[in-house]
Amino acid sequence: GEEVAQTPKHLVRGEGQKAKLYCAPIKGHSYVFWYQQVLKNEFKFLISFQNENVFDETGMPKERFSAKCLPNSPCSLEIQATKLEDSAVYFCASSQSFRSNQPQHFGDGTRLSIL
Amino acid sequence: AQTVTQSQPEMSVQEAETVTLSCTYDTSESDYYLFWYKQPPSRQMILVIRQEAYKQQNATENRFSVNFQKAAKSFSLKISDSQLGDAAMYFCAYSFSSNTGKLIFGQGTTLQVKP
Repeated sequence: GEEVAQTPKHLVRGEGQKAKLYCAPIKGHSYVFWYQQVLKNEFKFLISFQNENVFDETGMPKERFSAKCLPNSPCSLEIQATKLEDSAVYFCASSQSFRSNQPQHFGDGTRLSIL
Repeated sequence: AQTVTQSQPEMSVQEAETVTLSCTYDTSESDYYLFWYKQPPSRQMILVIRQEAYKQQNATENRFSVNFQKAAKSFSLKISDSQLGDAAMYFCAYSFSSNTGKLIFGQGTTLQVKP
């Protein structure tokens, strides 16, 4: 597609439940980036993929967070045993290259609310 | 450590007037890119303008222009002839080529446009 598609738009989970977010990158884009925007509006980089391979996972919390990009499937970000502090908007972005001269195109985000 | 600082949490401008949003960054890299993103209440992330560090000429996109001062590590955004639709949160971001392409964001500036 011509846009980065994120689903669902809003996800509500009780504390301790699992949450799974999806991202379909723009067709032809090899790189996918996940960012977390918390309520103070600060963005935090989580992880990036080059096709189905993890490219940079320096921002991923060591526990509870995992992500995948499998061939012919949307990428996913999964949070196990969610905590109140996981409440945030999670953005996915895709790009043709990791080189900074290729802009990242963002999806509309998934708002995750942990109750 | 690479950091991006936006020292103005909120700014306001009268419709049709000009406003400048400030951004400073800290880096030891020589090859990098700077970006301004607009995030309206719909929470879309829209790329407004970008600047390559190796270019001395300031980038311009219609009513949006930047004042890039490499030595001072400053990257301000000027919006001319402000319109009501410019009201949004604006994020300054940085990425460098020897990294994996992840964006490092500032804290954001909320711009209010008064009719």
